Amino acid sequence: DGGITQSPKYLFRKEGQNVTLSCEQNLNHDAMYWYRQDPGQGLRLIYYSQIVNDFQKGDIAEGYSVSREKKESFPLTVTSAQKNPTAFYLCASLGGNTIYFGEGSWLTVV
Amino acid sequence: DAKTTQPPSMDCAEGRAANLPCNHSTISGNEYVYWYRQIHSQGPQYIIHGLKNNETNEMASLIITEDRKSSTLILPHATLRDTAVYYCIVRARANAGGTSYGKLTFGQGTILTVHP
Repeated sequence: DGGITQSPKYLFRKEGQNVTLSCEQNLNHDAMYWYRQDPGQGLRLIYYSQIVNDFQKGDIAEGYSVSREKKESFPLTVTSAQKNPTAFYLCASLGGNTIYFGEGSWLTVV
Repeated sequence: DAKTTQPPSMDCAEGRAANLPCNHSTISGNEYVYWYRQIHSQGPQYIIHGLKNNETNEMASLIITEDRKSSTLILPHATLRDTAVYYCIVRARANAGGTSYGKLTFGQGTILTVHP
């Protein structure tokens, strides 16, 4: 079945470490997105990519980086520059008029 | 990008219709309105979308005003399992030279609580 897979589901990071969250889709969608969600809050856009080898900053890109080397993959790196990275992270893809979401990844800084 | 405004919370009695409003007064003519809901920090679930005509599917109905500045999501017979955060989003177009996908910006959503 087609869909979006995020991994890992749960991740713990020590302060000062970079971590990478995986997002893979087999829907042949061009556009992919990363969102951050804090408890009780809405979704905030971190980065998005509309085509391979191209991506744009969203509303809260500082402390994050992405790559889009393949159409299927859009990994998000949470760098040590992100001072408050503990949050729920969601990946989405868009094809035509349909938006699909992954199940999310929980990142906790310990 | 067009922004959306939703009430932070609403209540609804089980079995009654839930009407969730959304304001998108800066929407442009070729932008779609989408509705999603999210339960317990899972991935948001698609409900319905529309451009300018009213839409209905097995989950809900979407009523868009003639001037397209606002819309209402209607859950005709709300159940306890419909308790969730409901997001109204507008799909923006990309900047000049880009593709037509663009940003997807979410507001704070409406927390709908369905009670017995």
